[in-house]
Amino acid sequence: IAGITQAPTSQILAAGRRMTLRCTQDMRHNAMYWYRQDLGLGLRLIHYSNTAGTTGKGEVPDGYSVSRANTDDFPLTLASAVPSQTSVYFCASSDSATGVTDTQYFGPGTRLTVL
Amino acid sequence: GQNIDQPTEMTATEGAIVQINCTYQTSGFNGLFWYQQHAGEAPTFLSYNVLDGLEEKGRFSSFLSRSKGYSYLLLKELQMKDSASYLCAVFDSNYQLIWGAGTKLIIKP
Repeated sequence: IAGITQAPTSQILAAGRRMTLRCTQDMRHNAMYWYRQDLGLGLRLIHYSNTAGTTGKGEVPDGYSVSRANTDDFPLTLASAVPSQTSVYFCASSDSATGVTDTQYFGPGTRLTVL
Repeated sequence: GQNIDQPTEMTATEGAIVQINCTYQTSGFNGLFWYQQHAGEAPTFLSYNVLDGLEEKGRFSSFLSRSKGYSYLLLKELQMKDSASYLCAVFDSNYQLIWGAGTKLIIKP
C-alpha cells in the first residue's frame, strides 16, 4: 500500500508558467488537503476537500485552485506561478469529513521553486 | 487571532529526557496532535490528546491541559534518530487544523 503519492518530487518553474501538482491516495479516505510549508512558519492550509465533488478554501488559497473529480486524486494547480509560491507542498488525507477530528496522513511533498 | 507557540529549537543529549512545550490560543478546541518531521520528509503522526492528562506511547508521552491551553511532548531515552522537528497542531471549533511552526530537536552524542 503506497498511502499518498505526490508528483513531481521537485520542480523549478519560471514565473508566469502554469503548474499542476499531483496527489493520489489509495486509502479511500474521504478528506484531502493541500498545505504549504515555509521556513519558520507552520503548515498553512491552501485548499481542502471533505469528499469527492466538493472543495473549500483554506488559509492561503489565492493563486491556487483544486479539483476533486474522484476519491483518490486531488490535484493542485498554480495558474500563473509567482516567486512567493516557492515552497514545499504537502498533500494529506484523513478518513473523516466535516465535523470530526481525525488523523491526517501526509504525502512525501513537492519542493517547488519559482524563479 | 489563532496562535500556537513552540520553542524554535532545543538541544538534548542521547539517552536523556526532553520536554517540548506547546501553548495555544484558538477559537475552540477539538483535540491536539503532535507530529514528527525529519528533515526533507513528510510529517508523521505521533499522538492525539482531547482530554486532560497524560497519554503514554512507548518512549513518547503527550500531556494536555485544556484550561491552561498547554501541551507537552515528552521524549525519553533519546536516540539519535529522534533528531527531527516536532509539530503541535490544534483542531479549532471549525475542525480546521491550526499548526505551530515546529520545534527542531537536536540530539548530541
